[in-house]
Amino acid sequence: GQQLNQSPQSMFIQEGEDVSMNCTSSSIFNTWLWYKQDPGEGPVLLIALYKAGELTSNGRLTAQFGITRKDSFLNISASIPSDVGIYFCAGQRNSGNTPLVFGKGTRLSVIA
Amino acid sequence: NAGVTQTPKFRVLKTGQSMTLLCAQDMNHEYMYWYRQDPGMGLRLIHYSVGEGTTAKGEVPDGYNVSRLKKQNFLLGLESAAPSQTSVYFCASRKSLGEAKNYEQYFGPGTRLTVT
Repeated sequence: GQQLNQSPQSMFIQEGEDVSMNCTSSSIFNTWLWYKQDPGEGPVLLIALYKAGELTSNGRLTAQFGITRKDSFLNISASIPSDVGIYFCAGQRNSGNTPLVFGKGTRLSVIA
Repeated sequence: NAGVTQTPKFRVLKTGQSMTLLCAQDMNHEYMYWYRQDPGMGLRLIHYSVGEGTTAKGEVPDGYNVSRLKKQNFLLGLESAAPSQTSVYFCASRKSLGEAKNYEQYFGPGTRLTVT
């Protein structure tokens, strides 16, 4: 089946550092979504991307829809302790009634 | 707007017992989904529904059944629970086809199930 390769799997950073993570696929996607999951909670939608090349920000978070439509990137600037959690990417293919394909997540730990 | 809600939040079952997890959404969404989340495995799709009265199998459907009798509710059933079904279960929903924004999927808070 389809797979999204999300990297890194986990990362430990110092408070104040910038963070980058990405998702890649061998398939083309029409939409990319980025979620954050806090411990003990459900995933929450952070950013949605609809067009190749699109760059969208949500506060300190910036995500980009890769120009090839096979990848997406999420950057977090000036990390803070509450950024801790698991970040998931998800892609939607052309056929809109097919389920989202999810990456396995990037676990972010922030050291104060 | 409560969004997506799930009941119960926690449950402990013995092997062989049955139970039903309830998902409800008040956003008038057509599509609903059930996922399980296990350490290191990410989110795996169990079953989904593209409308009232319809269901379809996802990636890991074995041992589960679902029903979508009402548009706002999506039920996940375990007929004979097994320890391998110990997991965190998430429900999600979204609008139907149309503009790209309809692909945005929203999750519930999860049900933590332990089967002993």
